[in-house]
Amino acid sequence: DGGITQSPKYLFRKEGQNVTLSCEQNLNHDAMYWYRQDPGQGLRLIYYSQIVNDFQKGDIAEGYSVSREKKESFPLTVTSAQKNPTAFYLCASSVTGGLEPQHFGDGTRLSIL
Amino acid sequence: GQQVMQIPQYQHVQEGEDFTTYCNSSTTLSNIQWYKQRPGGHPVFLIQLVKSGEVKKQKRLTFQFGEAKKNSSLHITATQTTDVGTYFCAGPKRGYKLSFGAGTTVTVRA
Repeated sequence: DGGITQSPKYLFRKEGQNVTLSCEQNLNHDAMYWYRQDPGQGLRLIYYSQIVNDFQKGDIAEGYSVSREKKESFPLTVTSAQKNPTAFYLCASSVTGGLEPQHFGDGTRLSIL
Repeated sequence: GQQVMQIPQYQHVQEGEDFTTYCNSSTTLSNIQWYKQRPGGHPVFLIQLVKSGEVKKQKRLTFQFGEAKKNSSLHITATQTTDVGTYFCAGPKRGYKLSFGAGTTVTVRA
């Protein structure tokens, strides 16, 4: 079955530590996205990529970094500069990056130790 | 801030009753999408509305896009426990990005 795989499901970070969240898709979609979800705030866009080797900042990119070296993969690094990283992180993809439906992974829940 | 606003934030429903959740925008939207997120799960795409005044049904769910394309609604009839979750609307923001509303979280009393 085609889909989006996020790993790990749960992640714990120590103060001052960078962590990388994995997102892999086998849907052959061009566009991929990272969202952060906090209670009562819906989904906020961190970064998105419409094509390999290109990505754009979303609404809350500070303290995060991404890469898109392969079409299937869009890892997100939460750096130590992100002062409040505890949240649920969702990766999504869509066919071309236009206004079409997005498909989501199961998410990674990040907590601070 | 977010481009689309959803009301109510929480909806507590007796099983078997109907309810409606609303999505409003200050600007005209080219389209609107609705997603459902079950507790502990991820958002799942439900439907996309594109035309002014469009109405689409999925079993007990009825989705409507306003005539001015600035608002949308989701009406659920005869609510069941399987309807529990958070319903999000999403509209375009600055080109090809989607802006998600804060969601309406639905709980059902059996």
